[in-house]
Amino acid sequence: NAGVTQTPKFRVLKTGQSMTLLCAQDMNHEYMYWYRQDPGMGLRLIHYSVGEGTTAKGEVPDGYNVSRLKKQNFLLGLESAAPSQTSVYFCASTLLEAGRDEQFFGPGTRLTVL
Amino acid sequence: GENVEQHPSTLSVQEGDSAVIKCTYSDSASNYFPWYKQELGKGPQLIIDIRSNVGEKKDQRIAVTLNKTAKHFSLHITETQPEDSAVYFCAAITGFQKLVFGTGTRLLVSP
Repeated sequence: NAGVTQTPKFRVLKTGQSMTLLCAQDMNHEYMYWYRQDPGMGLRLIHYSVGEGTTAKGEVPDGYNVSRLKKQNFLLGLESAAPSQTSVYFCASTLLEAGRDEQFFGPGTRLTVL
Repeated sequence: GENVEQHPSTLSVQEGDSAVIKCTYSDSASNYFPWYKQELGKGPQLIIDIRSNVGEKKDQRIAVTLNKTAKHFSLHITETQPEDSAVYFCAAITGFQKLVFGTGTRLLVSP
């Protein structure tokens, strides 16, 4: 199993440009999450999904959109990038099963917005 | 909503010493508390977790303790080694298995 993979690994955008980050998992997990990590602030939840076709807002959703058209994929979109969105983005997934709460993380995408 | 505080932000120890990282949480309904280790350039990886029905859990050199009354939990690493150097995050679970993370502790183990 590849686990959780993220594409791309690095990206540089100019203010106002758009992009989509792709997260894929091959563990048949129901729940998927997008976090951003900024220095001194830990990981903060942007959006999450509890199943195919469903999405919900997390702690810091403004400026981002998400889609979960297939169970194994969770896409994070930036419609008009801003310098404040410079961050490292992590995707995670977990199994919907009592007592199985571990979230598995991808390797991250480092995004710089100029 | 849930709030998790983590201390210290940096911790330097000599190889072989013990390291302790502490976290507090605010929501008494939280019942799952994982600890993640993040090495440079990588995603966080679970190293140990504890549920609210247990007071302590050990896995070789690492252990976690939980005090539900005081709403705090701690990570203990004994006989530290240079490869333990990393950033450690505590977290607490909320609805839909969402995690609220602490701000992280950078642990440096010097040979």
